[in-house]
Amino acid sequence: GDSVTQMEGPVTLSEEAFLTINCTYTATGYPSLFWYVQYPGEGLQLLLKATKADDKGSNKGFEATYRKETTSFHLEKGSVQVSDSAVYFCALSDIDNDMRFGAGTRLTVKP
Amino acid sequence: DTEVTQTPKHLVMGMTNKKSLKCEQHMGHRAMYWYKQKAKKPPELMFVYSYEKLSINESVPSRFSPECPNSSLLNLHLHALQPEDSALYLCASSQATGTGLYEQYFGPGTRLTVT
Repeated sequence: GDSVTQMEGPVTLSEEAFLTINCTYTATGYPSLFWYVQYPGEGLQLLLKATKADDKGSNKGFEATYRKETTSFHLEKGSVQVSDSAVYFCALSDIDNDMRFGAGTRLTVKP
Repeated sequence: DTEVTQTPKHLVMGMTNKKSLKCEQHMGHRAMYWYKQKAKKPPELMFVYSYEKLSINESVPSRFSPECPNSSLLNLHLHALQPEDSALYLCASSQATGTGLYEQYFGPGTRLTVT
């Protein structure tokens, strides 16, 4: 079945560092791909999405590009802030599965 | 408005109690979901409602009973829970289900503790 694999965390960065969180997927069809963020004590918030190959999703300085050839959807940000500290979930959705989540990657940004 | 609301925010209940969790959305979405999330884990799907009908039940114990009174409301009735049911319960909604195209919008969750 469909699945999502995220890089193991936790990730700790200094403020203004470059962020990459790797995400790869396995799917039989043509899924949509998402990144969600969960701040402490809150629900999940949609960060960005891409619905077809080569689409780039972007929001709040975060970007991810749907790469069909490498089955990847890596999350990047050029300069992280302390307020970006949260858990990030990569997810996919297709005609058979509403949402499959990766294990989550905890990011801590230090001043 | 992309808000999904959930009440209560926190709930402590004994193993013999009956309680209900409530979820509401006013985005005109026709699919609504219940998830369970344990600490440091991703959400686990429990139930899916599509056009107010239960379409997916992920082998959830009968002590959890969902209800969708109308297209904006979703309830989760709880009875005779076990301590291992303590978790964050998340409600979500999306425009539709079964297409793979639509993102889900999540509520803030209800933190449930079973004593």
